[in-house]
Amino acid sequence: DAKTTQPPSMDCAEGRAANLPCNHSTISGNEYVYWYRQIHSQGPQYIIHGLKNNETNEMASLIITEDRKSSTLILPHATLRDTAVYYCIVRPGTYNTNAGKSTFGDGTTLTVKP
Amino acid sequence: GAVVSQHPSWVICKSGTSVKIECRSLDFQATTMFWYRQFPKQSLMLMATSNEGSKATYEQGVEKDKFLINHASLTLSTLTVTSAHPEDSSFYICSTQGLGGYTFGSGTRLTVV
Repeated sequence: DAKTTQPPSMDCAEGRAANLPCNHSTISGNEYVYWYRQIHSQGPQYIIHGLKNNETNEMASLIITEDRKSSTLILPHATLRDTAVYYCIVRPGTYNTNAGKSTFGDGTTLTVKP
Repeated sequence: GAVVSQHPSWVICKSGTSVKIECRSLDFQATTMFWYRQFPKQSLMLMATSNEGSKATYEQGVEKDKFLINHASLTLSTLTVTSAHPEDSSFYICSTQGLGGYTFGSGTRLTVV
Protein backbone atom coordinates (compact mmCIF):
# COMPACT_ATOMS: atom_id res chain seq x y z
CA ASP A 1 0.00 0.00 0.00
CA ALA A 2 1.12 3.54 -0.67
CA LYS A 3 2.20 5.53 2.34
CA THR A 4 0.12 8.47 3.46
CA THR A 5 1.08 11.53 5.45
CA GLN A 6 -1.34 13.43 7.65
CA PRO A 7 -0.91 16.19 10.21
CA PRO A 8 -0.98 14.70 13.72
CA SER A 9 -3.69 16.98 15.04
CA MET A 10 -6.15 19.69 14.11
CA ASP A 11 -8.74 21.77 15.91
CA CYS A 12 -12.01 22.97 14.49
CA ALA A 13 -14.78 25.15 15.87
CA GLU A 14 -18.18 23.55 16.18
CA GLY A 15 -20.36 24.36 13.19
CA ARG A 16 -17.45 25.24 10.95
CA ALA A 17 -16.03 23.14 8.16
CA ALA A 18 -13.18 20.79 9.03
CA ASN A 19 -10.67 20.26 6.24
CA LEU A 20 -8.33 17.35 6.78
CA PRO A 21 -5.43 16.99 4.34
CA CYS A 22 -3.63 13.85 3.27
CA ASN A 23 -0.59 13.38 1.09
CA HIS A 24 -0.23 10.18 -0.92
CA SER A 25 2.41 11.05 -3.47
CA THR A 26 3.25 7.41 -4.31
CA ILE A 27 -0.30 6.31 -5.04
CA SER A 28 -0.68 3.85 -7.89
CA GLY A 29 -3.14 4.15 -10.71
CA ASN A 30 -5.42 1.40 -9.39
CA GLU A 31 -5.43 2.59 -5.79
CA TYR A 32 -8.36 4.36 -4.20
CA VAL A 33 -8.24 6.90 -1.40
CA TYR A 34 -10.24 5.82 1.64
CA TRP A 35 -11.06 7.76 4.77
CA TYR A 36 -12.00 6.23 8.09
CA ARG A 37 -12.40 7.66 11.53
CA GLN A 38 -12.02 6.08 14.93
CA ILE A 39 -13.72 7.36 17.99
CA HIS A 40 -12.03 6.37 21.21
CA SER A 41 -12.19 2.64 21.96
CA GLN A 42 -14.32 1.82 18.93
CA GLY A 43 -13.59 0.17 15.60
CA PRO A 44 -12.86 2.41 12.61
CA GLN A 45 -15.88 3.78 10.79
CA TYR A 46 -15.91 4.15 7.02
CA ILE A 47 -16.46 7.70 5.82
CA ILE A 48 -15.87 7.96 2.09
CA HIS A 49 -13.62 6.83 -0.72
CA GLY A 50 -12.71 7.90 -4.24
CA LEU A 51 -10.44 7.19 -7.17
CA LYS A 52 -9.94 10.47 -8.98
CA ASN A 53 -13.22 12.35 -9.00
CA ASN A 54 -14.46 14.35 -6.05
CA GLU A 55 -17.00 12.49 -3.98
CA THR A 56 -19.73 13.51 -1.57
CA ASN A 57 -21.99 11.56 0.74
CA GLU A 58 -24.09 12.29 3.78
CA MET A 59 -21.05 12.39 6.03
CA ALA A 60 -18.38 14.25 4.09
CA SER A 61 -16.84 15.38 0.84
CA LEU A 62 -13.60 14.14 -0.62
CA ILE A 63 -11.51 16.35 -2.85
CA ILE A 64 -8.72 14.62 -4.77
CA THR A 65 -6.15 16.68 -6.64
CA GLU A 66 -5.80 16.18 -10.35
CA ASP A 67 -2.43 14.45 -9.98
CA ARG A 68 -3.95 12.29 -7.20
CA LYS A 69 -1.00 12.94 -4.93
CA SER A 70 -3.08 14.49 -2.21
CA SER A 71 -6.64 14.74 -1.01
CA THR A 72 -8.77 16.61 1.49
CA LEU A 73 -11.62 15.32 3.58
CA ILE A 74 -14.21 17.95 4.32
CA LEU A 75 -16.71 17.74 7.15
CA PRO A 76 -18.99 20.62 6.20
CA HIS A 77 -20.44 21.42 9.62
CA ALA A 78 -18.36 19.81 12.34
CA THR A 79 -20.03 18.79 15.57
CA LEU A 80 -18.57 17.73 18.89
CA ARG A 81 -19.31 14.13 17.96
CA ASP A 82 -16.92 14.42 15.02
CA THR A 83 -13.99 14.51 17.45
CA ALA A 84 -11.98 11.43 16.46
CA VAL A 85 -8.83 10.17 14.80
CA TYR A 86 -9.18 10.35 11.02
CA TYR A 87 -7.22 7.94 8.87
CA CYS A 88 -6.43 8.37 5.20
CA ILE A 89 -5.55 5.10 3.44
CA VAL A 90 -4.80 4.20 -0.14
CA ARG A 91 -5.40 0.70 -1.43
CA PRO A 92 -6.77 -1.25 -4.38
CA GLY A 93 -10.50 -1.15 -5.02
CA THR A 94 -13.20 -3.26 -3.39
CA TYR A 95 -12.94 -6.32 -5.57
CA ASN A 96 -9.21 -6.81 -5.22
CA THR A 97 -8.50 -9.68 -2.85
CA ASN A 98 -5.95 -7.61 -0.97
CA ALA A 99 -8.20 -4.61 -0.78
CA GLY A 100 -9.04 -5.01 2.86
CA LYS A 101 -5.41 -5.31 3.88
CA SER A 102 -4.98 -1.72 4.88
CA THR A 103 -1.88 0.00 6.15
CA PHE A 104 -2.90 2.60 8.69
CA GLY A 105 -0.73 5.61 9.30
CA ASP A 106 -0.92 7.64 12.48
CA GLY A 107 -3.94 9.63 11.32
CA THR A 108 -5.08 13.09 12.34
CA THR A 109 -6.67 13.70 15.71
CA LEU A 110 -9.47 16.17 15.05
CA THR A 111 -10.78 18.01 18.08
CA VAL A 112 -14.00 19.92 17.57
CA LYS A 113 -14.35 22.66 20.13
CA PRO A 114 -17.53 24.42 21.25
CA GLY B 1 -24.54 -1.87 4.82
CA ALA B 2 -22.42 -4.79 5.89
CA VAL B 3 -22.26 -5.50 9.60
CA VAL B 4 -19.50 -7.28 11.48
CA SER B 5 -20.29 -8.34 15.01
CA GLN B 6 -17.27 -8.70 17.27
CA HIS B 7 -17.31 -9.99 20.79
CA PRO B 8 -16.52 -9.81 23.53
CA SER B 9 -16.15 -6.04 23.59
CA TRP B 10 -13.84 -6.33 26.54
CA VAL B 11 -12.22 -9.12 28.50
CA ILE B 12 -9.92 -9.39 31.48
CA CYS B 13 -7.96 -12.58 31.87
CA LYS B 14 -5.21 -13.96 34.01
CA SER B 15 -1.70 -14.32 32.69
CA GLY B 16 -1.18 -17.72 31.11
CA THR B 17 -4.77 -18.27 30.06
CA SER B 18 -6.22 -18.17 26.56
CA VAL B 19 -8.84 -15.80 25.19
CA LYS B 20 -10.98 -16.25 22.10
CA ILE B 21 -12.31 -13.31 20.12
CA GLU B 22 -15.06 -13.83 17.56
CA CYS B 23 -16.03 -11.85 14.50
CA ARG B 24 -19.22 -12.66 12.65
CA SER B 25 -20.42 -11.21 9.39
CA LEU B 26 -24.15 -10.82 9.88
CA ASP B 27 -25.55 -10.17 6.44
CA PHE B 28 -22.90 -11.30 3.97
CA GLN B 29 -20.31 -13.99 3.41
CA ALA B 30 -16.82 -12.96 4.43
CA THR B 31 -14.26 -15.05 2.63
CA THR B 32 -11.45 -12.94 4.04
CA MET B 33 -11.08 -11.42 7.50
CA PHE B 34 -8.31 -9.11 8.62
CA TRP B 35 -7.17 -8.92 12.23
CA TYR B 36 -5.60 -5.79 13.65
CA ARG B 37 -4.08 -4.86 16.97
CA GLN B 38 -3.93 -1.38 18.41
CA PHE B 39 -1.88 -0.31 21.42
CA PRO B 40 -2.81 2.85 23.34
CA LYS B 41 -2.22 6.06 21.41
CA GLN B 42 -0.99 4.10 18.39
CA SER B 43 -2.44 3.26 15.01
CA LEU B 44 -3.87 -0.05 13.90
CA MET B 45 -1.33 -2.71 12.99
CA LEU B 46 -2.33 -5.61 10.77
CA MET B 47 -1.62 -8.93 12.45
CA ALA B 48 -2.95 -11.51 10.04
CA THR B 49 -5.32 -12.31 7.22
CA SER B 50 -7.65 -15.24 7.50
CA ASN B 51 -9.25 -16.94 4.54
CA GLU B 52 -12.19 -19.27 4.84
CA GLY B 53 -11.08 -22.87 4.63
CA SER B 54 -7.35 -22.23 4.54
CA LYS B 55 -4.49 -21.24 6.79
CA ALA B 56 -4.14 -17.67 7.91
CA THR B 57 -1.34 -15.45 6.66
CA TYR B 58 0.57 -13.67 9.40
CA GLU B 59 2.43 -10.40 9.17
CA GLN B 60 6.10 -10.31 9.97
CA GLY B 61 6.77 -10.42 13.69
CA VAL B 62 3.41 -11.92 14.64
CA GLU B 63 3.67 -15.33 16.27
CA LYS B 64 1.26 -17.70 14.58
CA ASP B 65 1.39 -20.18 17.45
CA LYS B 66 0.41 -17.50 19.91
CA PHE B 67 -2.36 -15.87 17.88
CA LEU B 68 -4.42 -18.73 16.51
CA ILE B 69 -6.84 -17.78 13.77
CA ASN B 70 -9.66 -19.98 12.58
CA HIS B 71 -11.96 -19.14 9.69
CA ALA B 72 -14.04 -22.27 9.43
CA SER B 73 -17.11 -20.72 7.86
CA LEU B 74 -18.01 -17.80 5.64
CA THR B 75 -19.58 -15.97 8.56
CA LEU B 76 -17.20 -16.59 11.44
CA SER B 77 -13.54 -15.93 12.09
CA THR B 78 -11.92 -16.31 15.50
CA LEU B 79 -8.67 -15.10 17.01
CA THR B 80 -7.38 -16.94 20.06
CA VAL B 81 -4.65 -15.35 22.13
CA THR B 82 -2.93 -18.31 23.75
CA SER B 83 -0.98 -18.15 27.00
CA ALA B 84 -1.71 -14.48 27.27
CA HIS B 85 0.73 -12.16 29.00
CA PRO B 86 0.36 -8.54 30.12
CA GLU B 87 2.17 -7.34 27.00
CA ASP B 88 -0.66 -8.83 24.92
CA SER B 89 -3.05 -6.32 26.47
CA SER B 90 -4.35 -4.36 23.52
CA PHE B 91 -7.36 -3.47 21.41
CA TYR B 92 -8.04 -6.15 18.80
CA ILE B 93 -10.15 -5.35 15.76
CA CYS B 94 -11.37 -7.45 12.84
CA SER B 95 -12.23 -6.19 9.40
CA THR B 96 -13.66 -7.58 6.23
CA GLN B 97 -14.97 -6.46 2.90
CA GLY B 98 -18.67 -6.79 2.43
CA LEU B 99 -21.24 -5.45 0.09
CA GLY B 100 -20.42 -1.87 -0.74
CA GLY B 101 -17.18 -1.54 1.15
CA TYR B 102 -15.08 -2.40 4.13
CA THR B 103 -16.36 -2.96 7.59
CA PHE B 104 -14.64 -3.12 10.95
CA GLY B 105 -15.80 -4.83 14.08
CA SER B 106 -16.33 -2.79 17.21
CA GLY B 107 -13.11 -4.08 18.73
CA THR B 108 -12.17 -6.12 21.80
CA ARG B 109 -10.27 -4.57 24.67
CA LEU B 110 -8.07 -7.31 26.16
CA THR B 111 -6.47 -6.76 29.55
CA VAL B 112 -4.16 -9.44 30.88
CA VAL B 113 -3.45 -9.27 34.60
